[in-house]
Amino acid sequence: QQQVKQSPQSLIVQKGGISIINCAYENTAFDYFPWYQQFPGKGPALLIAIRPDVSEKKEGRFTISFNKSAKQFSLHIMDSQPGDSATYFCAASNSSASKIIFGSGTRLSIRP
Amino acid sequence: DGGITQSPKYLFRKEGQNVTLSCEQNLNHDAMYWYRQDPGQGLRLIYYSQIVNDFQKGDIAEGYSVSREKKESFPLTVTSAQKNPTAFYLCASSLQGNLLAAEAFFGQGTRLTVV
Repeated sequence: QQQVKQSPQSLIVQKGGISIINCAYENTAFDYFPWYQQFPGKGPALLIAIRPDVSEKKEGRFTISFNKSAKQFSLHIMDSQPGDSATYFCAASNSSASKIIFGSGTRLSIRP
Repeated sequence: DGGITQSPKYLFRKEGQNVTLSCEQNLNHDAMYWYRQDPGQGLRLIYYSQIVNDFQKGDIAEGYSVSREKKESFPLTVTSAQKNPTAFYLCASSLQGNLLAAEAFFGQGTRLTVV
């Protein structure tokens, strides 16, 4: 119940295309869903996050879509650029427990 | 600059040795975490601490030990009991007790190699 399942494991997208990464969870007590971006040799950094009372959140080219009934959420990267090439992790948290559960990661490559 | 600092960046260990990875934060965060990252396996939680002098085992605590004597510091010791310690280790911290608890700030990582 503590797992966050992420797919795909790797993704190749042409420059200018839309990158889509999906995550699913089981624990309905999760109340915060962040996405992290990690470049090689660096630590992950928070990219964007959403709460379950909102169905969509957009920041620039990055959008999270949240489906509470299906217990799924996804990251969309519009107009994907080579600089977006990185590993992306979804995560979920029960804030009262102060524990963060990460998905297994998606390695995204944007072809010029 | 506020942040979280891990040292060293690279560490080599001989088999049978204990090594300690340092993690320091000046963000005044209550919670701190240690994760292990292996290729294709994402982030696996080793230990976490929500308050000074208290910590809990994560999913893969065997062969590791931690201490939390100060709010700013959460060192991780990789003991000789850890059979496969070669990995990238990430320390993180976050606020606690509110919806921002999931916004973890990560250090730059320590790459540990057994030689």
